[in-house]
Amino acid sequence: GAVVSQHPSWVICKSGTSVKIECRSLDFQATTMFWYRQFPKQSLMLMATSNEGSKATYEQGVEKDKFLINHASLTLSTLTVTSAHPEDSSFYICSAQMGQNNGYTFGSGTRLTVV
Amino acid sequence: QQQVKQSPQSLIVQKGGISIINCAYENTAFDYFPWYQQFPGKGPALLIAIRPDVSEKKEGRFTISFNKSAKQFSLHIMDSQPGDSATYFCAASVNDYKLSFGAGTTVTVRA
Repeated sequence: GAVVSQHPSWVICKSGTSVKIECRSLDFQATTMFWYRQFPKQSLMLMATSNEGSKATYEQGVEKDKFLINHASLTLSTLTVTSAHPEDSSFYICSAQMGQNNGYTFGSGTRLTVV
Repeated sequence: QQQVKQSPQSLIVQKGGISIINCAYENTAFDYFPWYQQFPGKGPALLIAIRPDVSEKKEGRFTISFNKSAKQFSLHIMDSQPGDSATYFCAASVNDYKLSFGAGTTVTVRA
C-alpha cells in the first residue's frame, strides 16, 4: 500500500530557531500534499495544500511567512517553521494524495516542542 | 466552523460490544466520506470509506452506514477489542480534495 514517511518524528528546538519537517511518499507520486496541525485532544486542522512545482495554498489564519511549504518534487514536501515560538509547539502531520479518487495517506506525524 | 459534526466525544464499551459513532454534514457537495483511526503520537490511518451512491459498506468488524437524505453517516465497530481503543475521526471531501474532519471520538474498550 501507499506509504508516507515523515521526519523527524519529534524535535525540540529553541525559541527563535527554524525547524524543517520532511514528508516523503515512498512508493507513489503525490500530486498533492496537505499539512495539518493537531493540538492535544483536538481534531486535525488543515494548514496548507501544496501541489508539486507551485506555491502552496494556505488556509485562512495560517501565516505563510512563518510556515514555509516547499513541494519540490512529486515525492517530497517540506514544512519549515520559521522563528519558532512556544505557541508553535504542536503535532504536525502531512498527507499525500496520488491524484483524485485515490484517497489520502498520512504520515506518522512530528511532535514539535519549542522551548 | 466545523463542516462535519461528530458525536459522541468519547465512549466506553465492553470487550465484545458494539461502538457506534455518528457524523452529520451540511455540504451536499461532499462525495467522499472516510473514517480514520488514530493512536496517540501517530498519524491517522484510513479505516474505511464510502461514497454517496452506497448506503452501507462493511470491512471486517467495521461498517459505515450512510443516509444521504439525512446527511448523516456512522461507523459501527462490532465485537470491539481492547486494540480498538483509539480516537476515531470522520471526514468528508468534495471531488477528493481537502478533507474536513470531525472533532473526533475517543473509544475505550474495557476488557
